[in-house]
Amino acid sequence: DAGVTQSPTHLIKTRGQQVTLRCSPKSGHDTVSWYQQALGQGPQFIFQYYEEEERQRGNFPDRFSGHQFPNYSSELNVNALLLGDSALYLCASSLPGQGYGYTFGSGTRLTVV
Amino acid sequence: DQQVKQNSPSLSVQEGRISILNCDYTNSMFDYFLWYKKYPAEGPTFLISISSIKDKNEDGRFTVFLNKSAKHLSLHIVPSQPGDSAVYFCAASASGAGSYQLTFGKGTKLSVIP
Repeated sequence: DAGVTQSPTHLIKTRGQQVTLRCSPKSGHDTVSWYQQALGQGPQFIFQYYEEEERQRGNFPDRFSGHQFPNYSSELNVNALLLGDSALYLCASSLPGQGYGYTFGSGTRLTVV
Repeated sequence: DQQVKQNSPSLSVQEGRISILNCDYTNSMFDYFLWYKKYPAEGPTFLISISSIKDKNEDGRFTVFLNKSAKHLSLHIVPSQPGDSAVYFCAASASGAGSYQLTFGKGTKLSVIP
């Protein structure tokens, strides 16, 4: 049974560019959340998607946006990249309607130069 | 303003002894607490949780204690094994307030010495 799958695993972008990260939830999960983990910090909540809508958002600027597709997979988009956006981006999925019983993916390491 | 604090960045314990990881929180709305374990190059893995209506939850070698009046929780691992070496994150949720987000601490790196 595949867990949460994230792609790509690593990428390097230039300041000002845009990036799209992808996540496939664990089988049977319908809720997807995104977290940003900067070096030496704990994961920080970006937003959660449920039924193809953003259900809750953390304290992140509008440059961070997302989408959930009918098959429950999700994308995280970040526009106008800043050096400070360099981090590990974690996707987590959970059971139907359950907000926080997460299974995490291994993350995408984004480096902005 | 950090609402979940893990004040010990690292902890070293001999194999077979008890590991105690601590976590403090400031938000009174938090009513559900979780511990996650993270190995390098992997995502966090759920370990154990506790609801605010309880003061203790046990699962094998892992026990979580919650002291609501002190806004403090701890994770006990007995006996500690080398495979327990990882970064441990404390997380909290205000589920009763309709929040779905987890607020994490910065983590404690546990090293279990054979």
